[in-house]
Amino acid sequence: DGGITQSPKYLFRKEGQNVTLSCEQNLNHDAMYWYRQDPGQGLRLIYYSQIVNDFQKGDIAEGYSVSREKKESFPLTVTSAQKNPTAFYLCASNPPQGNQPQHFGDGTRLSIL
Amino acid sequence: QQQVKQSPQSLIVQKGGISIINCAYENTAFDYFPWYQQFPGKGPALLIAIRPDVSEKKEGRFTISFNKSAKQFSLHIMDSQPGDSATYFCAASYPRGGTASKLTFGTGTRLQVTL
Repeated sequence: DGGITQSPKYLFRKEGQNVTLSCEQNLNHDAMYWYRQDPGQGLRLIYYSQIVNDFQKGDIAEGYSVSREKKESFPLTVTSAQKNPTAFYLCASNPPQGNQPQHFGDGTRLSIL
Repeated sequence: QQQVKQSPQSLIVQKGGISIINCAYENTAFDYFPWYQQFPGKGPALLIAIRPDVSEKKEGRFTISFNKSAKQFSLHIMDSQPGDSATYFCAASYPRGGTASKLTFGTGTRLQVTL
């Protein structure tokens, strides 16, 4: 079955620690995205990537970093600079044609210890 | 100009009733308007989408109504069922160069369908 796999499902971060969230897709999609979801605020775009080795900042990129070394993978690192990291993080991808629907993974819930 | 405003924030509907969720946008360059359904602990899933060249699109019990002049679009769920209880997000995007389509999301509507 094609889809997007996010891991882990739950993650805990200590103060001052960087953590990395995994996102893998086997849909052969070029574009991939990371969103942050907070209660009552909808989904906000953190970073997106159109092709391998290229990525762009979204609306709330501060305190986050990404890499895109393989088409299938788009990991997100939540750095210690992100002072309010507690949220539900969602990864998405879409096919290469413009304005195609985005497919989402089932998210990672990050909490602070 | 990038905002998409969604209302209501929450909605309680009796089984068999009609659920209506509304969204409004400012950016006239938006040309793709999807609705997503999200269950607790899951990612959003595409429910139905519309482009501005049509005023209505229906898929089963779900209908999008689109009013280009008013810059509004709405989701109607006919014969609402308890299994429809979820959070619904409207979104909008406009064409950009390349493959990425940046979606702007509404803030979500939590729907509860009671027996």
